[in-house]
Amino acid sequence: GQQVMQIPQYQHVQEGEDFTTYCNSSTTLSNIQWYKQRPGGHPVFLIQLVKSGEVKKQKRLTFQFGEAKKNSSLHITATQTTDVGTYFCASGGYQKVTFGTGTKLQVIP
Amino acid sequence: NAGVTQTPKFQVLKTGQSMTLQCAQDMNHEYMSWYRQDPGMGLRLIHYSVGAGITDQGEVPNGYNVSRSTTEDFPLRLLSAAPSQTSVYFCASSYYGGETQYFGPGTRLLVL
Repeated sequence: GQQVMQIPQYQHVQEGEDFTTYCNSSTTLSNIQWYKQRPGGHPVFLIQLVKSGEVKKQKRLTFQFGEAKKNSSLHITATQTTDVGTYFCASGGYQKVTFGTGTKLQVIP
Repeated sequence: NAGVTQTPKFQVLKTGQSMTLQCAQDMNHEYMSWYRQDPGMGLRLIHYSVGAGITDQGEVPNGYNVSRSTTEDFPLRLLSAAPSQTSVYFCASSYYGGETQYFGPGTRLLVL
């Protein structure tokens, strides 16, 4: 399956600061998905990117898929305490979906 | 729709015991999968199924068995539990596999 590395592993930010997590692969990805998992909860789908260079926005969240389809990023503008959780990228074809190791975001009020 | 349901929510086992983690979905999804989540390891794929009667191994299949007799159900069996299987287990489903996955609430398993 496709291997994806995610950085950083942890991130602490002051409320109102921006946050970015990165997902990288050594091979071309067919697509990239992003999930959010609240503490004690289960992963919840946020978005899927499929096109080279694609950029999508959801309110304060901006998702990018690299031109070479080997990397992706999730950027949160002006974090809020509701953004706390672990963010995962995932990628895969028809049969196997591989998840990154996740970035755990802590927001300090 | 209930979505993806998992039972039990919590379970404590002794080494060597067997058990079955249940997973069901009511969205008529063809693709179902099992992941385990350990601190710092993300979500690792155990087994998956692309339809009734079809299963295959994921990244960490050892010690686990699955079957898929119906579209709705995808149970995960631990034949002889080991402390290394202490983890949180998530079941997920999707229409085809490569797109949006819907996760169940998880089963927290402790093996003593």
